[in-house]
Amino acid sequence: RKEVEQDPGPFNVPEGATVAFNCTYSNSASQSFFWYRQDCRKEPKLLMSVYSSGNEDGRFTAQLNRASQYISLLIRDSKLSDSATYLCVVNNFNKFYFGSGTKLNVKP
Amino acid sequence: NAGVTQTPKFQVLKTGQSMTLQCAQDMNHEYMSWYRQDPGMGLRLIHYSVGAGITDQGEVPNGYNVSRSTTEDFPLRLLSAAPSQTSVYFCASSYGIGTGELFFGEGSRLTVL
Repeated sequence: RKEVEQDPGPFNVPEGATVAFNCTYSNSASQSFFWYRQDCRKEPKLLMSVYSSGNEDGRFTAQLNRASQYISLLIRDSKLSDSATYLCVVNNFNKFYFGSGTKLNVKP
Repeated sequence: NAGVTQTPKFQVLKTGQSMTLQCAQDMNHEYMSWYRQDPGMGLRLIHYSVGAGITDQGEVPNGYNVSRSTTEDFPLRLLSAAPSQTSVYFCASSYGIGTGELFFGEGSRLTVL
């Protein structure tokens, strides 16, 4: 079983739409959680950390549900520049595990 | 600000050849790690290090060696390249011992013929 699972998409949405991604993780002892963004043929970059209390950064909201072992990312008012692959990342005792990524295409 | 620097950016090898991917960071990060990214599979951890002199295996360590003689450098060695090692390799470092944000290099694209 994979440590982290994500729907690969693609999610094709119009500008201004709200889109949500989920991922699940298998190890209940996982310690920290992140969403990374990766543009085509580029390195991943941190989008935001994820906390149980939920956290928001502008148009982005992330949520962690430890009981159900899933992590979510909500993007409001999508922009063309949000088009990318979004990677769910979980840390277990010094090892980072990456989901395969969810591709988002925002259309004009 | 250099951040994490990987070299080379592109490399073509023949089966059986050996090579070293270099990774250096100038942020005084204790944690460094190597990943490979294959289409549809996300990033997979090869090896990691929590400090100079300390290394450990990740998910897919076979065929790769690492060493950490200094805080700054974390080279990845391919001992005898195989076509299955064709991939994009990323080095990343973190200020926390495996809990903080990962800072990535730009990646090294390796093709093994």
